[in-house]
Amino acid sequence: AAGVIQSPRHLIKEKRETATLKCYPIPRHDTVYWYQQGPGQDPQFLISFYEKMQSDKGSIPDRFSAQQFSDYHSELNMSSLELGDSALYFCASSQAGNSPLHFGNGTRLTVT
Amino acid sequence: SQQGEEDPQALSIQEGENATMNCSYKTSINNLQWYRQNSGRGLVHLILIRSNEREKHSGRLRVTLDTSKKSSSLLITASRAADTASYFCATDAGGFQKLVFGTGTRLLVSP
Repeated sequence: AAGVIQSPRHLIKEKRETATLKCYPIPRHDTVYWYQQGPGQDPQFLISFYEKMQSDKGSIPDRFSAQQFSDYHSELNMSSLELGDSALYFCASSQAGNSPLHFGNGTRLTVT
Repeated sequence: SQQGEEDPQALSIQEGENATMNCSYKTSINNLQWYRQNSGRGLVHLILIRSNEREKHSGRLRVTLDTSKKSSSLLITASRAADTASYFCATDAGGFQKLVFGTGTRLLVSP
């Protein structure tokens, strides 16, 4: 069965650079979520989209932005990267709110 | 602030033993979910229990929910080395499309 696809799997950037993470949800899933997980931490909710509209926002820095496109894929754009942005970034999709989330394998971002 | 607090933070058992993990949360919920995460990988959904349910089973997993105490437990019976992972509870208390995760329990099952 198709799963959530994230790219790239690994990304190394320097401070103050920008990064773009991509997510391709499971077909026919209408909601996409982005989470950030620091080393040894629980996943922190960043932002979600329902039917291509932003539906909720969490602890997402102003330096980050995200959008969902007409084909339902989503991109997380991160600018002015800081060392503290180094983390695993997960995308998840679901068929509707309150249903199980299906996670991708994440993008490991390292900021040097 | 964390919606879910889990205990223990780490649990080490032998194969064949049962593992129990607990999760507490702070606000009212519609449902509570448990996820498993192997090191550095994505989270995998295990089971969802709704606020009007008290217990749910799935294979070797048993989940209980006590809304009066705002707590849930996950029991893994007859554990296997392959069960070694981190286990997180998550609630929808953050909103309709905002699942909030607890701090997780690291389970180590030794052969």
